[in-house]
Amino acid sequence: NAGVIQTPRHKVTGKGQEATLWCEPISGHSAVFWYRQTIVQGLEFLTYFRNQAPIDDSGMPKERFSAQMPNQSHSTLKIQSTQPQDSAVYLCASSRLGGGEQYFGPGTRLTVL
Amino acid sequence: GDSVTQTEGQVALSEEDFLTIHCNYSASGYPALFWYVQYPGEGPQFLFRASRDKEKGSSRGFEATYDKGTTSFHLRKASVQESDSAVYYCALGDRGFASALTFGSGTKVIPCLP
Repeated sequence: NAGVIQTPRHKVTGKGQEATLWCEPISGHSAVFWYRQTIVQGLEFLTYFRNQAPIDDSGMPKERFSAQMPNQSHSTLKIQSTQPQDSAVYLCASSRLGGGEQYFGPGTRLTVL
Repeated sequence: GDSVTQTEGQVALSEEDFLTIHCNYSASGYPALFWYVQYPGEGPQFLFRASRDKEKGSSRGFEATYDKGTTSFHLRKASVQESDSAVYYCALGDRGFASALTFGSGTKVIPCLP
C-alpha cells in the first residue's frame, strides 16, 4: 500500500503565476480531503470529495482556489494568480466513506515569491 | 463552530518522564475524537481515535479517554522516549461518516536527555 501520493513535493512560483497540486488517494478510499498548513493558522480544512463529487468546500478561499476530482485515482488543487500569503504546505488525505481515520500524504510545500 | 483547544504549545521533558498533553473540544454534536502525530517533513499520521464517552483509544504506548462530561481527550504516555519527538494534534470529526477534521493547534514534544 503506497499511501497517499502528492506531487510535486515542493513548488516555487512567482507572484501571479498558477500552481496545480496533485493528489493520488489510497486505492479503495472514496473520500478525499485537502488541508492547508501554516505556522500561523495551523491545519485548516479546504475542501472534500465523496465518490469524486464535491461535498464541502467551506474552507476554500472564494477567489483563485479550485479543486477537482476527475476520477477516483486523483484530485487536483489549482491556485490561480498565486500570492505570497498562499505559501503553505498543502496536504491531501483520504479515508473510507464510513468515517474513521484519514490518511495524509506528505504534502506539497508551495512557496510564492 | 466546532473547535479544539490544546493548551500546551510545547512540552520539554526528560526521557522516561510521564507525558500529558491536554485537549479540550467544543462541538454542537457528538463527535469522534482523534490524535495525530506529525514528524518533520511528513503529513500527520493517525495515532488512534475514540467515538463514545468513556472509550479509551491507544497506540504505541499512548492513550487517551473520551470524556464527554469535561469535553476532554487528553493524551498520556507513561515513559516518553527520544523517538517521541514530534508535534501531536488533537482533532474532532463526525462519528459515522467521512467528514472534515477540525484540528487543535498542536503540541511539540521535546524529550531531553536526563
